[in-house]
Amino acid sequence: KAGVTQTPRYLIKTRGQQVTLSCSPISGHRSVSWYQQTPGQGLQFLFEYFSETQRNKGNFPGRFSGRQFSNSRSEMNVSTLELGDSALYLCASSPEGSYNEQFFGPGTRLTVL
Amino acid sequence: GDSVTQMEGPVTLSEEAFLTINCTYTATGYPSLFWYVQYPGEGLQLLLKATKADDKGSNKGFEATYRKETTSFHLEKGSVQVSDSAVYFCALSDPGYGGATNKLIFGTGTLLAVQP
Repeated sequence: KAGVTQTPRYLIKTRGQQVTLSCSPISGHRSVSWYQQTPGQGLQFLFEYFSETQRNKGNFPGRFSGRQFSNSRSEMNVSTLELGDSALYLCASSPEGSYNEQFFGPGTRLTVL
Repeated sequence: GDSVTQMEGPVTLSEEAFLTINCTYTATGYPSLFWYVQYPGEGLQLLLKATKADDKGSNKGFEATYRKETTSFHLEKGSVQVSDSAVYFCALSDPGYGGATNKLIFGTGTLLAVQP
């Protein structure tokens, strides 16, 4: 089975712009989660989608949003980028249910100038 | 709220040394516990997991036991190799009572450097 794929792998934007990141989960996985990884804050949960519905959300401002499509692929969007949004954004997918391990993609490295 | 506390790094060891990375947690329900590893430039990989008290997770020579009485999940390996050099994250997943989620709460990560 192919793993979790994320596109693009690297992205450079300037302050005030918006960005969309994409994630394709492992085939058959319906749960997709997003995490932000920074040296200062570590790994922080952004949101989780299951069957096209957001079922959990982390403590991030409304500039961060996401969605999931009927084929379980997910996108996250960040509007009005700030320097502090520079981070590695990781997507993870899981089988149905809870207490499951998450399978992580390689991440998208976003740099905001 | 739920949280995970890991020992600060970096941890520097010689090859074949014994490894312990401490992890304690706070949770309102009955969480599952995980250790993930991140190699340079890569995403996270699951190393091992335990879903209930007294369970022992093990993989590639690494072990961790879910201790409810001490709310701990310490990672151990009897003999480390240079290839084990990476960042190790302790994490929990706690759906709560009647909830459903795969959300993970991570510790800060511990950098392990193994020297030949």
